[in-house]
Amino acid sequence: DTAVSQTPKYLVTQMGNDKSIKCEQNLGHDTMYWYKQDSKKFLKIMFSYNNKELIINETVPNRFSPKSPDKAHLNLHINSLELGDSAVYFCASSPPYGGEEKLFFGSGTQLSVL
Amino acid sequence: LAKTTQPISMDSYEGQEVNITCSHNNIATNDYITWYQQFPSQGPRFIIQGYKTKVTNEVASLFIPADRKSSTLSLPRVSLSDTAVYYCLVGDMDTGRRALTFGSGTRLQVQP
Repeated sequence: DTAVSQTPKYLVTQMGNDKSIKCEQNLGHDTMYWYKQDSKKFLKIMFSYNNKELIINETVPNRFSPKSPDKAHLNLHINSLELGDSAVYFCASSPPYGGEEKLFFGSGTQLSVL
Repeated sequence: LAKTTQPISMDSYEGQEVNITCSHNNIATNDYITWYQQFPSQGPRFIIQGYKTKVTNEVASLFIPADRKSSTLSLPRVSLSDTAVYYCLVGDMDTGRRALTFGSGTRLQVQP
């Protein structure tokens, strides 16, 4: 069973459209994240949720809106897509503080905005 | 947030030991040092984590000097399948309250 799964794996869309990426983890973790990896391979955190509560919002445009219906899911909705949004988006989760401090990543969603 | 500096790329041959060093001069007292491996079209995968001295697991060793301003990931006897990007990450995850940004990583190319 995949620990952190995100869908779709590839997403090609036109500028101005609205799209969503879904993420689910079956590890029982409390904290989930969205990361963006650009063409230079920098991995930058976008959001962090702990038990459905937004913890970190790293100066991401308002067009990006994360939603966590429960602690096992963290979806990312993007409005009015722009060319610069093209990147690979990774979902991740981590165990509760006090355990092993590591991130478990999904396989990524490659977003291409045309 | 502690910034990390790693070499952009390294080349090696199968069977050799590879050491990748990461500099983190402003590491905080509560920060751990963690290394991740990323293959193309996959998410990063945890390799090893340490706080001080030496940590070893079935995949790698991590050497951390007393001042903790740098760390070295050691991969023994690499194979072609170790070709990947390796990221050094410094931080205290603390229920996600610390923003964890990876650097650009070190691209390791292992040749036959």
